[in-house]
Amino acid sequence: EVQLVESGGGLVQPGRSLRLSCTADGFRLGDYAMSWFRQTPGKGLEWISFIRRNAYGGSTDYAASVKGRFTISRDDSKNIAYLHMNSLKTEDSAVYYCSRDVLVPKLHSYYYYMDVWGRGTTVTVSS
Amino acid sequence: QSVLTQPPSVSAAPGQRVTISCSGSSSNIGKNYVSWYQHLPGTAPKVLIYDNDKRPSGIPDRFSGSQSGTSATLGISGLQTGDEGDYYCGTWDSSLTTGGHVFGTGTKVTVL
Repeated sequence: EVQLVESGGGLVQPGRSLRLSCTADGFRLGDYAMSWFRQTPGKGLEWISFIRRNAYGGSTDYAASVKGRFTISRDDSKNIAYLHMNSLKTEDSAVYYCSRDVLVPKLHSYYYYMDVWGRGTTVTVSS
Repeated sequence: QSVLTQPPSVSAAPGQRVTISCSGSSSNIGKNYVSWYQHLPGTAPKVLIYDNDKRPSGIPDRFSGSQSGTSATLGISGLQTGDEGDYYCGTWDSSLTTGGHVFGTGTKVTVL
């Protein structure tokens, strides 16, 4: 069965760090781009970060709200993607999800959409 | 902060049809394809529509998508109690150096 499992969430104090893991099962992580998202209570989904396949350079990008504090990475040999979160703030408290991103080539462009998601891991930033 | 606007909620009786709108601009929906995602309580989100109007395998044809200009629409016909949850439109943000996703504000579907 194709699935993603997030782990590493928990309670952390403001200013500290945390590393989330996203383990792929049933497929090769290296064949796909990956993203991280989060959802705060009562609010919608917010995209956080994206990483391309290493075959396409493994480039990354971030939402403005986390740029400079969060880092996305991948270890295809372990089938795991990571989200390293530094300088955490109370507003970073959320359920964090990872997703598998499908590349859709078009005539003069391309785009990605998410076809597999995990169930999420909860991060609480509080003193 | 979502740049795609959806109605906060829609509701209908079982068997009825609902539509959810997604309003964007020429810099997002106007130049990129739209996907739709279903997020039911306690479950992982699921893609319902990609490429504006295509359904992945396993998604019933009760779900349909369309796009026109800077707006997109998700239709759910034959509404079922199991459809209750949150629905999000999304598109690709090619304005970033590498790229990323943008989501709609989300719509809660309630089956009366």
